[in-house]
Amino acid sequence: GNSVTQMEGPVTLSEEAFLTINCTYTATGYPSLFWYVQYPGEGLQLLLKATKADDKGSNKGFEATYRKETTSFHLEKGSVQVSDSAVYFCALTRNTGRRALTFGSGTRLQVQP
Amino acid sequence: ETGVTQTPRHLVMGMTNKKSLKCEQHLGHNAMYWYKQSAKKPLELMFVYSLEERVENNSVPSRFSPECPNSSHLFLHLHTLQPEDSALYLCASSLGLAATGGELFFGEGSRLTVL
Repeated sequence: GNSVTQMEGPVTLSEEAFLTINCTYTATGYPSLFWYVQYPGEGLQLLLKATKADDKGSNKGFEATYRKETTSFHLEKGSVQVSDSAVYFCALTRNTGRRALTFGSGTRLQVQP
Repeated sequence: ETGVTQTPRHLVMGMTNKKSLKCEQHLGHNAMYWYKQSAKKPLELMFVYSLEERVENNSVPSRFSPECPNSSHLFLHLHTLQPEDSALYLCASSLGLAATGGELFFGEGSRLTVL
């Protein structure tokens, strides 16, 4: 079946540091890949997505590249801010049939001033 | 109101109680979902409804009973729960099951504590 594995958190960084959150997946076929973010006290929001191999999703300074050869979709940001503190979820969906999302366990990011 | 709204935000119940969680979406979507969020575990998909018809039920115990009276409302009825059912229950909606964009819109969740 489909599954998503994320690095365990929390990840603690100083403001303006470089961020990488690793995500690898197992899926049949060619899924679409997503990063969702959950700010404190809020629901999950879509951050970025990529629908085919070598696509790069980007939003709010965050980027992730769909790497089929390594089955990865690592999230990166060049300079984090305190306001980026949140829980980040990697997810995938099939591109055929029913497409409910399969999520990873989430990685908490704490950015200190 | 806009987006996806869940009530109550917090619920404490005993194992013999019966309660319900409510979800309402104002986005004109026709698919709705219940997810369970437990600490350090992947979000677990519980139920999926499309056009008020249940299309997915991921081996969820019968003490959880969903209801979707129309495309804007989704309920999760709870009875004789166990302490391990304590979690954040998230409702989500999407434009359709087959939307290739795959974007779900989530509510803020209902934090359930079972004593």
